[in-house]
Amino acid sequence: EMVMTQSPATLSVSPGDRATLSCRASQTVNSNLAWYQQIVGQTPRLLIYGASTRATGIPARFSGSGSGTEFTLTISSLQSEDFAVYYCQQYNQWPLAFGGGTQVEIK
Amino acid sequence: EVQLLESGGGLIQPGGSLRLSCAASGFTFSNYAMTWVRQAPGKGLDWVSSMSGSGGNIYYTDSVKGRFTTSRDNSKNTLFLQMTSLRAEDTAVYYCAKDRVAGSTSPDYFDLWGRGTMVTVSS
Repeated sequence: EMVMTQSPATLSVSPGDRATLSCRASQTVNSNLAWYQQIVGQTPRLLIYGASTRATGIPARFSGSGSGTEFTLTISSLQSEDFAVYYCQQYNQWPLAFGGGTQVEIK
Repeated sequence: EVQLLESGGGLIQPGGSLRLSCAASGFTFSNYAMTWVRQAPGKGLDWVSSMSGSGGNIYYTDSVKGRFTTSRDNSKNTLFLQMTSLRAEDTAVYYCAKDRVAGSTSPDYFDLWGRGTMVTVSS
């Protein structure tokens, strides 16, 4: 069974700085990797699919990279609305699996 | 408006049963696989079950197999989750989510989420 591991668990970043979040799969997922953002009290929002393709309406400051087992979500210049929890999800095989999340907090 | 609206959550005793519903609108429901994802209080997202658009393919996470049943009524644009033998560890917000790719029976990601319904299993 696939295990998705996200690091770090918490990332403290100043507004305007870059944030780099990692997601590791226990087996290859090829490029079948999505990223979601969940702001406190809100529903998850799709950010990235296919490891690197931004979903509709997602700002260009969000970018994804990687393939196989190692993936990265980069937020180039953090805005106030970006402080949230971010989850990766593999959809290469059943069962689907989410990572444990990375909380991006204000430094 | 494209949206999903869950209902049916509540407080239930261990061993009890509950049926969740997810009403879809704004898209051709039968064209899309649908998924249940849950989130325990203060925890991360946890995939529960997915069902293809036709209902012919259903998948469950191991911890709910034999206890939960996913179904759908495409004539009413509604997805269901019948939960039995509920345990304290099933306590969570249950979200329904729409798969991104139309007509697919493959594993997928989700481009539309409902607001969720809270299920609390406690005596």
